[in-house]
Amino acid sequence: EAGVTQSPTHLIKTRGQQVTLRCSPISGHTSVYWYQQALGLGLQFLLWYDEGEERNRGNFPPRFSGRQFPNYSSELNVNALELEDSALYLCASSRWTGNPFHEQYFGPGTRLTVT
Amino acid sequence: AQSVTQLDSQVPVFEEAPVELRCNYSSSVSVYLFWYVQYPNQGLQLLLKYLSGSTLVKGINGFEAEFNKSQTSFHLRKPSVHISDTAEYFCAVSGGMKTSYDKVIFGPGTSLSVIP
Repeated sequence: EAGVTQSPTHLIKTRGQQVTLRCSPISGHTSVYWYQQALGLGLQFLLWYDEGEERNRGNFPPRFSGRQFPNYSSELNVNALELEDSALYLCASSRWTGNPFHEQYFGPGTRLTVT
Repeated sequence: AQSVTQLDSQVPVFEEAPVELRCNYSSSVSVYLFWYVQYPNQGLQLLLKYLSGSTLVKGINGFEAEFNKSQTSFHLRKPSVHISDTAEYFCAVSGGMKTSYDKVIFGPGTSLSVIP
């Protein structure tokens, strides 16, 4: 069974640009979560999508947005990039088990560097 | 609001020695608790979880954790570590009631270094 995949692996952007990160969940998983892992700040919850709907959102500004497609894959968009957006962005997926955060399976992440 | 504290940012330990990584949480509602491991340049992998029932939880790779409600702790233990256990370990908490689903909160992480 293929795990969670993310693309691209690395990317470098300039401040003010926009970026799109992609995530494909494990087959059969309907929920996708996005996290930001910035140096020194630990792992911060960004967004949770399930069945195409945004279910919950972390304490991030509106320039962080995303969507989930009918095949349950997901995109994370970040507009007007700032230097502090440099981080590892992790995607995770899970089945619905009552608690949406059970059994999350993580992808390898996308390393974003903003210069 | 929920929060998670991992008291040790770095833990060096000799190979085959026991280790305990400490985790304390605060929450006004029942919780689910998790430990994840992150190997260098990889995503997170679930080690074990506490949902309900027995307070002693066994996970993968020989790790176990004990839920202590009175001390609001969920410490991770392994009786004998290997070089391959060198990694970052994260404790996490999420709401345990459907009406109080909150964002999952991760601790800041503990870097375990196993010394040969």
